[in-house]
Amino acid sequence: NAGVTQTPKFQVLKTGQSMTLQCAQDMNHNSMYWYRQDPGMGLRLIYYSASEGTTDKGEVPNGYNVSRLNKREFSLRLESAAPSQTSVYFCASSDQAGNSGANVLTFGAGSRLTVL
Amino acid sequence: AQSVAQPEDQVNVAEGNPLTVKCTYSVSGNPYLFWYVQYPNRGLQFLLKYITGDNLVKGSYGFEAEFNKSQTSFHLKKPSALVSDSALYFCAVSHYILTGGGNKLTFGTGTQLKVEL
Repeated sequence: NAGVTQTPKFQVLKTGQSMTLQCAQDMNHNSMYWYRQDPGMGLRLIYYSASEGTTDKGEVPNGYNVSRLNKREFSLRLESAAPSQTSVYFCASSDQAGNSGANVLTFGAGSRLTVL
Repeated sequence: AQSVAQPEDQVNVAEGNPLTVKCTYSVSGNPYLFWYVQYPNRGLQFLLKYITGDNLVKGSYGFEAEFNKSQTSFHLKKPSALVSDSALYFCAVSHYILTGGGNKLTFGTGTQLKVEL
């Protein structure tokens, strides 16, 4: 059972380049999320998709776009990368059963992005 | 707005001793609280959660957490620490998404736990 799979695991970009981080889950979860992790700041929500066909901004959406391609896949795109976007990016998913405030998020292994 | 605070960047404990990792929260209404652990170069793994009921919540790997409403705290504990418990621990509070479901988590800044022989 793969859970949440992210690609690529590592990427180095130059300022102004674009790239897409891919995420797929095989747990039939309804909701998916993109977080970034920076030292001393914990994890911050970039975008989320509560269900297939919907996406919404999180805490730090500037400079990013997302696509919920289908129920399994949720991609994060950097159109013009900046050094401030150097970070570790995590995709997560959760089920939508009962009281969704208590649902557990399952995280991928992360994608480490460096923007020079 | 909801938030969590982890006042300690690092906690050092000798193996076999009890450990506590602190977390305080601020929410409107009843809180849903979580603890996650992150091992080096890995994603976050769920440890335990508090929804309602008993103030002492038991989770994975022998960890437990005590919910204290009057002190707005949700401290993570383990009676006897292991070297293998060394990792980064995150406290989080849940925000229920009213339209369409989903569960946005707001994380603390993390506490590095180091267990030494």
